[in-house]
Amino acid sequence: DVKVTQSSRYLVKRTGEKVFLECVQDMDHENMFWYRQDPGLGLRLIYFSYDVKMKEKGDIPEGYSVSREKKERFSLILESASTNQTSMYLCASSVGPFYEQYFGPGTRLTVT
Amino acid sequence: GESVGLHLPTLSVQEGDNSIINCAYSNSASDYFIWYKQESGKGPQFIIDIRSNMDKRQGQRVTVLLNKTVKHLSLQIAATQPGDSAVYFCAENIGPKGYSTLTFGKGTMLLVSP
Repeated sequence: DVKVTQSSRYLVKRTGEKVFLECVQDMDHENMFWYRQDPGLGLRLIYFSYDVKMKEKGDIPEGYSVSREKKERFSLILESASTNQTSMYLCASSVGPFYEQYFGPGTRLTVT
Repeated sequence: GESVGLHLPTLSVQEGDNSIINCAYSNSASDYFIWYKQESGKGPQFIIDIRSNMDKRQGQRVTVLLNKTVKHLSLQIAATQPGDSAVYFCAENIGPKGYSTLTFGKGTMLLVSP
């Protein structure tokens, strides 16, 4: 079975802190994705990567950056956390386009 | 647990009933569609997918129907069980070949009463 793990289930950070969210997949998938999920807004794509060291902006990249130094690991970085970044963050991976994405359990981030 | 279900359309059924969850998609050029299930506090879980060269696909207790003429997707769950209670999302594949992404619907909450 595909396994996508995220470094934390719950995280509380202060405004202005730099925040790292880590995601690891164990199926040698090419594509990895970061989403945020908010009530009433559904899942929104922040960034995705289709290869090591490659990244593409999604629908809401402002305030975020990403890093993919190894194929199995995709990191989401909040350079200076703000309260409007309080959300559920979901990582996903897929073998390629036109294939299902497998999701991790999510990280619930609260910025105070 | 997480409340992704706020403001969502809700379908309430009795255990044993068949459930039908509908989804309208936006892009007539989309050629791949997925249904996901999300339980409280968990990430979305893949249920079934369908490509645009098909209009029906069946899995275990689930069937997805695709009507490209009206850009409509449905998920049918047979003999619904309390464990099927969750939020269900449809997703469509959008983007150029090579690297495309999924766009998700807002979701429907399914509540199954024993």
